[in-house]
Amino acid sequence: GESVGLHLPTLSVQEGDNSIINCAYSNSASDYFIWYKQESGKGPQFIIDIRSNMDKRQGQRVTVLLNKTVKHLSLQIAATQPGDSAVYFCAEILSGGYQKVTFGTGTKLQVIP
Amino acid sequence: DTAVSQTPKYLVTQMGNDKSIKCEQNLGHDTMYWYKQDSKKFLKIMFSYNNKELIINETVPNRFSPKSPDKAHLNLHINSLELGDSAVYFCASSQGAGRFSEQYFGPGTRLTVT
Repeated sequence: GESVGLHLPTLSVQEGDNSIINCAYSNSASDYFIWYKQESGKGPQFIIDIRSNMDKRQGQRVTVLLNKTVKHLSLQIAATQPGDSAVYFCAEILSGGYQKVTFGTGTKLQVIP
Repeated sequence: DTAVSQTPKYLVTQMGNDKSIKCEQNLGHDTMYWYKQDSKKFLKIMFSYNNKELIINETVPNRFSPKSPDKAHLNLHINSLELGDSAVYFCASSQGAGRFSEQYFGPGTRLTVT
């Protein structure tokens, strides 16, 4: 399953399928990007980050892709599990003298057992 | 065992009141943050303190005043509460300023202004 950002804030996938969550960012000068997972009633939790000089980074069952040309970020979750059900959102960070972090709109991932 | 704790977890109050939310971290971190998350889950940074010094101060009404008595605590005081202040407020900490990839978030304080 694949989300299209603001037009599909909820993504439903079958357990075992791969999930793709998308994010559009605004500042081409942003230095790095983070994906967070937020479970119901809890604070955000870091999943994976990627620097602007990379286009792909892999973690455990997760992959982040960065397309700077179109200012687009995606999070791929392999073999989605019920425990992956949460809200996911991206953040772009501009480093320097004054750090600036801007969060994207979240996407709710629902895993169907 | 709790790394970042916030009190209270829920806060219901009337417009015009003054309230405080407390945050404490036991991780030995030198930087703490306050975030606001609205009803649409949109998260926005409000403040950040490094070694008790304000280093990030986003566009936030003057009614919001953070206070850091020591490195382990960052409290948020809100004067003259308004309906639009209703949100979940998250505290976070990191070792080093701007280490957003290494932040630990608290469980949040749900503020409801009636």
